[in-house]
Amino acid sequence: QSVLTQPPSVSAAPGQKVTISCSGSSSNIENNYVSWYQQLPGTAPKLLISENNKRPSGIPDRFSGSKSGTSATLGITGLQTGDEADYYCGTWDSSLSAWVFGGGTKLTVL
Amino acid sequence: QLQLQESGPGLVKPSESLSLTCTASGGSISSSSYYWAWIRQPPGQGLEWVASIHQSGATYYKPSLKSRVTISVDTSKNQFSLKLSSVTAADTAVYYCARLPRVVGSFDNWGRGTLVTVSS
Repeated sequence: QSVLTQPPSVSAAPGQKVTISCSGSSSNIENNYVSWYQQLPGTAPKLLISENNKRPSGIPDRFSGSKSGTSATLGITGLQTGDEADYYCGTWDSSLSAWVFGGGTKLTVL
Repeated sequence: QLQLQESGPGLVKPSESLSLTCTASGGSISSSSYYWAWIRQPPGQGLEWVASIHQSGATYYKPSLKSRVTISVDTSKNQFSLKLSSVTAADTAVYYCARLPRVVGSFDNWGRGTLVTVSS
């Protein structure tokens, strides 16, 4: 089981908004930066959000990140069929002295 | 633009060692601003961080794998490597190499990954 908890799947219609949650603890999310990754089918993960809410160059502003306490959230607006992918949250866990990821959330754009 | 490329055998026998190399192009492994990491993904499962290294030699290992894993860096070849000993079928996965900026703390550049299957 993953240290960080994500819903296994979420779905929404094209053009709509969706949020993906990532729940952790004081040893990871609460006191360290959270990042989010998008993994399109058959490809390597790609960094979407770093430092809780910063978008790397080239990432559309439809993607946003936030953090509050021991939880983080990825938001995606204006959903497109091309957004169908697995999304992972990740952070450093100070107690484990290890990088940890959530179990991943599969986004379906209906 | 930095590119990372994993290489190594795609099939390893149980109880043997798995050795992978990540070659960087378009950027230097010697930069003090980054760590370099291995992350794996078993078929149909999620991401699992395995190990990280800094050009200074500082290393970090996933605790449950620490006794079997060694990560190393060869700045002269602009490469870093992973060795995992006593492999079992549970080590079957796509192995990715990635860059980890020291300050930002997120894996910002990934290789395409290489599938390693452990089977006799």
